[in-house]
Amino acid sequence: KQEVTQIPAALSVPEGENLVLNCSFTDSAIYNLQWFRQDPGKGLTSLLLIQSSQREQTSGRLNASLDKSSGRSTLYIAASQPGDSATYLCAVSNFGNEKLTFGTGTRLTIIP
Amino acid sequence: NAGVTQTPKFQVLKTGQSMTLQCAQDMNHNSMYWYRQDPGMGLRLIYYSASEGTTDKGEVPNGYNVSRLNKREFSLRLESAAPSQTSVYFCASSEASADTQYFGPGTRLTVL
Repeated sequence: KQEVTQIPAALSVPEGENLVLNCSFTDSAIYNLQWFRQDPGKGLTSLLLIQSSQREQTSGRLNASLDKSSGRSTLYIAASQPGDSATYLCAVSNFGNEKLTFGTGTRLTIIP
Repeated sequence: NAGVTQTPKFQVLKTGQSMTLQCAQDMNHNSMYWYRQDPGMGLRLIYYSASEGTTDKGEVPNGYNVSRLNKREFSLRLESAAPSQTSVYFCASSEASADTQYFGPGTRLTVL
């Protein structure tokens, strides 16, 4: 059974710094990996989707990487802003079972 | 273009009462999902519908039923609510299984 872990559970960073969020998964036979953000009391918003054949995806200040062999993905946020404060979740789908398995998220706070 | 909409936003039930959570999407997506989100547990899949006319159990289906009414609408029914079903419920949709998922704003349900 696929298990997805995100450590740390919470992170505080001064505004302007670059930061990395981590996601690890136990079964490397993934179909794709998705990163979401969730603002308090809101639904999830998709940020990036990386297919299993890809190494990374970029959108603006966000860059997500994927290393299937080590079971890891990172989300890099450049030049952090207070508006980046949210909970970030990663989720993976596996071949033959394309439903998403979610991590419990990292709550990010950007300090002005 | 509203995306994914859910009703109601909040609901309080007494143990044993029944209710239906409604979800609709206007993106012509084939796949739809119901999740619950609990503190420390992440998002867990309750039921999903890969296409109109089909439904399948997810990780935590007990105590729930679903109906894929048409391509747009996917409802979740609690026949006899229990306090353990106190949670935030999210509906999501995607063009196909394992594609980027789009989430609704959620329904916060309390069962007393």
